[in-house]
Amino acid sequence: DGGITQSPKYLFRKEGQNVTLSCEQNLNHDAMYWYRQDPGQGLRLIYYSQIVNDFQKGDIAEGYSVSREKKESFPLTVTSAQKNPTAFYLCASSIIVADSYNEQFFGPGTRLTVL
Amino acid sequence: DAKTTQPNSMESNEEEPVHLPCNHSTISGTDYIHWYRQLPSQGPEYVIHGLTSNVNNRMASLAIAEDRKSSTLILHRATLRDAAVYYCILRDVLGGGSNYKLTFGKGTLLTVNP
Repeated sequence: DGGITQSPKYLFRKEGQNVTLSCEQNLNHDAMYWYRQDPGQGLRLIYYSQIVNDFQKGDIAEGYSVSREKKESFPLTVTSAQKNPTAFYLCASSIIVADSYNEQFFGPGTRLTVL
Repeated sequence: DAKTTQPNSMESNEEEPVHLPCNHSTISGTDYIHWYRQLPSQGPEYVIHGLTSNVNNRMASLAIAEDRKSSTLILHRATLRDAAVYYCILRDVLGGGSNYKLTFGKGTLLTVNP
């Protein structure tokens, strides 16, 4: 089945540690995205990538880093510089076609808790 | 960023139709209206999108006002599996012009009673 996988589902880390969240897609999508969701809130864009080896900051990139070495993978690192990292993290992907709809497909999410 | 306004919550009974409203008074002429929904502890999923005309698909219908300043997502027969947060979204163009970001507000929490 084609889709997006995120691992792990739940992640705990100690304050001051960096942690990397995995996102893999086998949909052959060019674009990938990372969103953050806090309780009772909508999603906010952290980073996005439209092509391998290129990525752009979203609305709340401070304290996060990403890489896009392969088309199917877009890992997110939450660094110790992120002041409030406890949240639900969602990865998404889409095609990029001019004048087309380009629906975003989401993974199941990773719930990160900083202890 | 374009803005939408939705009620915080709505309730429905199973097997009955549900009309979820959305106001988007600042919509531009080329903005599509999108709806996604998020089931508890899951990622959002696409529901429907439209520009000017009413749209139907297997999940729902989208009714768009003539002035495009509001729209309504219609679930024709609500089931317990439709209980979710429903987001009405206007896309924002990302750099390059062919890609977009989705700006999610708080959405409408739909409760379906058995």
